[in-house]
Amino acid sequence: AQRVTQPEKLLSVFKGAPVELKCNYSYSGSPELFWYVQYSRQRLQLLLRHISRESIKGFTADLNKGETSFHLKKPFAQEEDSAMYYCALRGEETSGSRLTFGEGTQLTVNP
Amino acid sequence: AAGVIQSPRHLIKEKRETATLKCYPIPRHDTVYWYQQGPGQDPQFLISFYEKMQSDKGSIPDRFSAQQFSDYHSELNMSSLELGDSALYFCASSLRRRGAQGGGPSYEQYFGPGTRLTVT
Repeated sequence: AQRVTQPEKLLSVFKGAPVELKCNYSYSGSPELFWYVQYSRQRLQLLLRHISRESIKGFTADLNKGETSFHLKKPFAQEEDSAMYYCALRGEETSGSRLTFGEGTQLTVNP
Repeated sequence: AAGVIQSPRHLIKEKRETATLKCYPIPRHDTVYWYQQGPGQDPQFLISFYEKMQSDKGSIPDRFSAQQFSDYHSELNMSSLELGDSALYFCASSLRRRGAQGGGPSYEQYFGPGTRLTVT
């Protein structure tokens, strides 16, 4: 079974402050981890995936297999980062099919 | 660039009625996924299709059925609707392709805007 946990439903920071959205997962094999973002009234968009090791909009995320975590970080939050963020996992045995999502974290960046 | 299209965007039905949700994937995408997101909940996988065949099945009720057609669009048919079926239904599409230099396949899923179903 695969499970994704995002312990914070709500996270509020001030503009320019660092932000970290936590994600932990449970999976016995080698998962593929993603972060999706949903801005107000818009569709889910892929933000990051661990295999790409890229930085998008200043966000980075590192897969820590020892701690089974994939936390999303940004050193200086911006107001336009306010959105719902979902961590998602795809297991290797599902051959690229379903994503299992966490409960989501609503990030609010205050001016 | 063309994105995933879902119709209708909003749908109101009464209990015990039926509903059909449609999804038009990004051109050349061969895989379609359906997710259900209840109020305040995370998206839950329902079912997926690859090349018109069911490829994976999640927590889809027996009252629901889905298929992918020859033009790759997909329809989710929902019968005997219940109040608990009220949710946002997302469709996503992807293209199965091998990664560069013989690497693993890439299945990035692109999501549609969703259909908001309200059952009264």
